[in-house]
Amino acid sequence: GENVEQHPSTLSVQEGDSAVIKCTYSDSASNYFPWYKQELGKRPQLIIDIRSNVGEKKDQRIAVTLNKTAKHFSLHITETQPEDSAVYFCAAIGGATNKLIFGTGTLLAVQP
Amino acid sequence: DAGITQSPRHKVTETGTPVTLRCHQTENHRYMYWYRQDPGHGLRLIHYSYGVKDTDKGEVSDGYSVSRSKTEDFLLTLESATSSQTSVYFCAISAGQGSTYGYTFGSGTRLTVV
Repeated sequence: GENVEQHPSTLSVQEGDSAVIKCTYSDSASNYFPWYKQELGKRPQLIIDIRSNVGEKKDQRIAVTLNKTAKHFSLHITETQPEDSAVYFCAAIGGATNKLIFGTGTLLAVQP
Repeated sequence: DAGITQSPRHKVTETGTPVTLRCHQTENHRYMYWYRQDPGHGLRLIHYSYGVKDTDKGEVSDGYSVSRSKTEDFLLTLESATSSQTSVYFCAISAGQGSTYGYTFGSGTRLTVV
């Protein structure tokens, strides 16, 4: 089945800097790659997603890139703000199933 | 909110007792999922349902069972709770294929087994 690896597990940046979180997946048939943000004590919330027919997608300060050949995808946050501090999860859905498999999460801390 | 509620929100139970967690949705979505969240492991899929009475196992299904007798309710049962099942449990729903419709999560149930 699908396996998703996520790095780094923790990331500390200064306010205004950029943050990058990377994920790799194992199932070449995977076709959907969402990113979730989870604040302390809250539910995971979808922040951006990308499908396998697209290489990059942007939404204001957030962007996601996908390299299907290498089977990896990344989340880029520019001009980070303290409210970006949270745990971020990448995930993938395999082509043959409808099961969303998550990475282990990245704790992002944005220092004022 | 998103039309998905979990109950209870918090529960403390003793080792060996049965526990049932409920996920209720008002969106009439076909797919429902149960995940557990533990530090260092992210969210791991326990069981999922693709319709009434249609369920299947996820990555960490041992010690858990599920039932879906109505579209709106998906129950997760720990037949005999163990300390290793102390976790935060999230339910999620999807209208169809997740790659098309995406997932929406409930607020979670914090379960402590003592």
